[in-house]
Amino acid sequence: GIQVEQSPPDLILQEGANSTLRCNFSDSVNNLQWFHQNPWGQLINLFYIPSGTKQNGRLSATTVATERYSLLYISSSQTTDSGVYFCAVEWGYSGAGSYQLTFGKGTKLSVIP
Amino acid sequence: DAGVTQSPTHLIKTRGQQVTLRCSPKSGHDTVSWYQQALGQGPQFIFQYYEEEERQRGNFPDRFSGHQFPNYSSELNVNALLLGDSALYLCASSRAGELFFGEGSRLTVL
Repeated sequence: GIQVEQSPPDLILQEGANSTLRCNFSDSVNNLQWFHQNPWGQLINLFYIPSGTKQNGRLSATTVATERYSLLYISSSQTTDSGVYFCAVEWGYSGAGSYQLTFGKGTKLSVIP
Repeated sequence: DAGVTQSPTHLIKTRGQQVTLRCSPKSGHDTVSWYQQALGQGPQFIFQYYEEEERQRGNFPDRFSGHQFPNYSSELNVNALLLGDSALYLCASSRAGELFFGEGSRLTVL
């Protein structure tokens, strides 16, 4: 099956700093999503981005499908950005409307005041 | 617009028991998927339901089964619980590609 690798595994930032999280995948993908998992366990959608660039406030994401990677940028980090960031991909022929995601192991981000 | 809701939020069972977890999808969504997340790991796909049928299944034993009702809500059943089944169980709903997750049900098996 497809391999999804995220880096770095852990990241500690001072409040206000910027960061880039990376997601590499080993095969062509149909879809890619970034999630933030808060300390209570909920996975919150950040971006649905199979290709191209999107921005939402201080966060932006870029997926270069031909080179099999995606980047998540966090600018002016805040303590509330702390948590685990997951990249997840849908790959292979899964049929119409079939949305099985394969997750990476995540990047654990800690933002300190 | 209510998001994906799951119940119960926490539960404790003993080895050998059976458990049922419930999920109501986001309004307008017709596809429900279940994921298991062990501590420190990313979620792993269990199975997916569409039109009341199991459409896809991940690498999980037959002890894991599910059901989808006509109103698109879903249940996950786990029989003969093992200590290793302790995890966060996440339900996700979708309609056109993008998945939305509930807050999860945290199962502890003693």
